Amino acid sequence: AQKITQTQPGMFVQEKEAVTLDCTYDTSDQSYGLFWYKQPSSGEMIFLIYQGSYDEQNATEGRYSLNFQKARKSANLVISASQLGDSAMYFCAMRPSNAGGTSYGKLTFGQGTILTVHP
Amino acid sequence: EAQVTQNPRYLITVTGKKLTVTCSQNMNHEYMSWYRQDPGLGLRQIYYSMNVEVTDKGDVPEGYKVSRKEKRNFPLILESPSPNQTSLYFCASSLSPTGGGEQYFGPGTRLTVT
Repeated sequence: AQKITQTQPGMFVQEKEAVTLDCTYDTSDQSYGLFWYKQPSSGEMIFLIYQGSYDEQNATEGRYSLNFQKARKSANLVISASQLGDSAMYFCAMRPSNAGGTSYGKLTFGQGTILTVHP
Repeated sequence: EAQVTQNPRYLITVTGKKLTVTCSQNMNHEYMSWYRQDPGLGLRQIYYSMNVEVTDKGDVPEGYKVSRKEKRNFPLILESPSPNQTSLYFCASSLSPTGGGEQYFGPGTRLTVT
């Protein structure tokens, strides 16, 4: 079984500063993928970034980077130079990368972190 | 434009009145799934489908049915809705169920059962 834990129900950051959203996970799968999604108040789910468990380098996408520490089973999202439009709910998710098993294809989500960016 | 569409976007209904939420994708994706989102619980998978006529239960399938008669469509059926099914529902699709393939989400359907 897979489990994602996001321990920060809410985070506040000043505009233009960096912020780290925490995500820890638990899985028995050897190969898996980690995702971050953004959900603004309008409700849609926006894909931000992906990290494969065997990727040697941390993923980056523009202002987003994923601080992947496999031994600690953490996959924190770092947003640099926060903008007002970054205010949203953020979800960490994972899914196995190998075929077979009851979790095949399923994205398991954390509870989410609400980020508020202050001007 | 690649997209997943859901209808309706908003629905208020009464207990016991059967309803269907439609989901359609135009990307020829094999893998489709339904999630429900509830405060404090994140998104939980209801059902998924690997391909046409291949469906299976997710984590919270009770009270729901699905079908996959065509590759592009994956409707969610609530035979006898109850108030505990009041939630925000998302349909999602991806080319592959594994790897880094992005799951494309529909816009969501906000369902209220009174």
